[in-house]
Amino acid sequence: SQTIHQWPATLVQPVGSPLSLECTVEGTSNPNLYWYRQAAGRGLQLLFYSVGIGQISSEVPQNLSASRPQDRQFILSSKKLLLSDSGFYLCAWSPLTAEAFFGQGTRLTVV
Amino acid sequence: AQSVTQLGSHVSVSEGALVLLRCNYSSSVPPYLFWYVQYPNQGLQLLLKYTSAATLVKGINGFEAEFKKSETSFHLTKPSAHMSDAAEYFCAVSVRTSYDKVIFGPGTSLSVIP
Repeated sequence: SQTIHQWPATLVQPVGSPLSLECTVEGTSNPNLYWYRQAAGRGLQLLFYSVGIGQISSEVPQNLSASRPQDRQFILSSKKLLLSDSGFYLCAWSPLTAEAFFGQGTRLTVV
Repeated sequence: AQSVTQLGSHVSVSEGALVLLRCNYSSSVPPYLFWYVQYPNQGLQLLLKYTSAATLVKGINGFEAEFKKSETSFHLTKPSAHMSDAAEYFCAVSVRTSYDKVIFGPGTSLSVIP
């Protein structure tokens, strides 16, 4: 069966520090991969999606970037975090049946 | 472009009462529709999905949803609410192209009153 791993679960980072969140999927090949952000009390905002290695599409211009160095690995990064980057970050993958399956999320607090 | 609206950011029901969470979508092509549930500090769990088969879809935990094309709606229902149903619920739409881009509604927070 397929599983998705996302880490770390929680992270506290100072303003101006770099960020790297990693997500990996097991048990499937060539999945579509997504990064979402959920701000406190708000819905899910699609940040990036990827349909293949090195293929990244950005939904919202911001302080973040994403990379897909391997088929089942998706990384969310920032060179310098802002206070507004705080939130709950969710990685997801989608098979060719349309629905998305989510990781457990990373709670990022920028201080 | 696809979009989803959910009427009511907060819904409260009594334990044992009917749960009705509303979702309306916009899509220029036949959509795939989903309901997800999120418990605090957790990821989203798929409750049910509509993918152009039966219009009445049954999901986990006793939930079901009906796709109504004429009303562009996909409302989620459960006959009898349990305390454990208290959570955030998200409706989502996806359109099959060369990728599956899942767009989420703003969510509805469900409270269950004992």
